[in-house]
Amino acid sequence: DAGITQSPRYKITETGRQVTLMCHQTWSHSYMFWYRQDLGHGLRLIYYSAAADITDKGEVPDGYVVSRSKTENFPLTLESATRSQTSVYFCASSETGGGDGYTFGSGTRLTVV
Amino acid sequence: GQNIDQPTEMTATEGAIVQINCTYQTSGFNGLFWYQQHAGEAPTFLSYNVLDGLEEKGRFSSFLSRSKGYSYLLLKELQMKDSASYLCAVRVPSANQAGTALIFGKGTTLSVSS
Repeated sequence: DAGITQSPRYKITETGRQVTLMCHQTWSHSYMFWYRQDLGHGLRLIYYSAAADITDKGEVPDGYVVSRSKTENFPLTLESATRSQTSVYFCASSETGGGDGYTFGSGTRLTVV
Repeated sequence: GQNIDQPTEMTATEGAIVQINCTYQTSGFNGLFWYQQHAGEAPTFLSYNVLDGLEEKGRFSSFLSRSKGYSYLLLKELQMKDSASYLCAVRVPSANQAGTALIFGKGTTLSVSS
């Protein structure tokens, strides 16, 4: 299917476990982004990427790792999950990073117990 | 640092006009975006302003004043389906080659009643 897809949609994990959230887009967009959304904080940027093998930290990168070996994939890994990482995670992509806007995936709701 | 402010909540009635304000102070500016987000769903793109002035798109308009660090989203002929969160976001440059990224305000929850 064309578009941007995130998996899984829902995930429950235990404190201290490593967990990877997947993001895949079919448009060959250069730019990809990871956000988390929490009540009272809105959307906060975790990491972003302008192309394969080019990434940068956003506002809240601690505890997260990203990679981008292929243009279409941008996985987000929580190295050792903590309860404070319970959130809804959104992946987004953009062709130009500019006025075309970002297209968001449907989100992954992660609960760390 | 990055600071983007917008009201937390607003209410309005069907058929009315509502204006949602956004002020920003960011390290760099490459454009301002407005997104709509219904509860439990992903944000969807509404508008983009990079130059001063008004951009109109159907019932929605967005205004930008770069010198004042100010934008607003104007929604006309409100409908019940416009009940959602409206997110103001500023595109800021990256320190390295990763391009630019959107930094979001906390969003304004709009409730439209009949």
